[in-house]
Amino acid sequence: EAGVAQSPRYKIIEKRQSVAFWCNPISGHATLYWYQQILGQGPKLLIQFQNNGVVDDSQLPKDRFSAERLKGVDSTLKIQPAKLEDSAVYLCASSPAPGLDYGYTFGSGTRLTVV
Amino acid sequence: AQSVTQLGSHVSVSEGALVLLRCNYSSSVPPYLFWYVQYPNQGLQLLLKYTSAATLVKGINGFEAEFKKSETSFHLTKPSAHMSDAAEYFCAVKPGGGNKLTFGTGTQLKVEL
Repeated sequence: EAGVAQSPRYKIIEKRQSVAFWCNPISGHATLYWYQQILGQGPKLLIQFQNNGVVDDSQLPKDRFSAERLKGVDSTLKIQPAKLEDSAVYLCASSPAPGLDYGYTFGSGTRLTVV
Repeated sequence: AQSVTQLGSHVSVSEGALVLLRCNYSSSVPPYLFWYVQYPNQGLQLLLKYTSAATLVKGINGFEAEFKKSETSFHLTKPSAHMSDAAEYFCAVKPGGGNKLTFGTGTQLKVEL
């Protein structure tokens, strides 16, 4: 089966600019996650979708970050305006359903550098 | 709330030696536990998972982990390290029946000749 697709792979922007990341989960996976992985740290959950509804966005900096999952399939994560501390790898993951004993399937990530 | 502590941010072993990566967890409910591996510039790949069945779990690439409730541990082992095992390893916990997967800070494994 095809994996989780993410684009772009790399992005360099100046601070205060905006950026958007795209994720296409595994077909049929109802649950989609966005994680932020800062260099030297473990991934941190930003937002979780169940179909097209938000389940958990408690760690999403809502003043600058937004995410949507229209039609319960693809998802986009946006940062506006970007700050230097947003430099990180943004990982998208999906799973068949929440609350079950599945591990997540991760995409290769988008490496963002804010200068 | 759940959390994971990985002891040792960097571990170095010789090729052919035992690999032991340590993970201790905290969870208010019976947990599900996972080990992921991340190669440079790649996403995370699931190595193995514990979901309340057998306490000794075997995964891919010869890795295994043992769930020890009394020690709140889920250490990852491999009898004989290979150069291709060099990567970063993350332990993660999810409350049984819950949604949120929480990761540790990772252990970078280096394998030397």
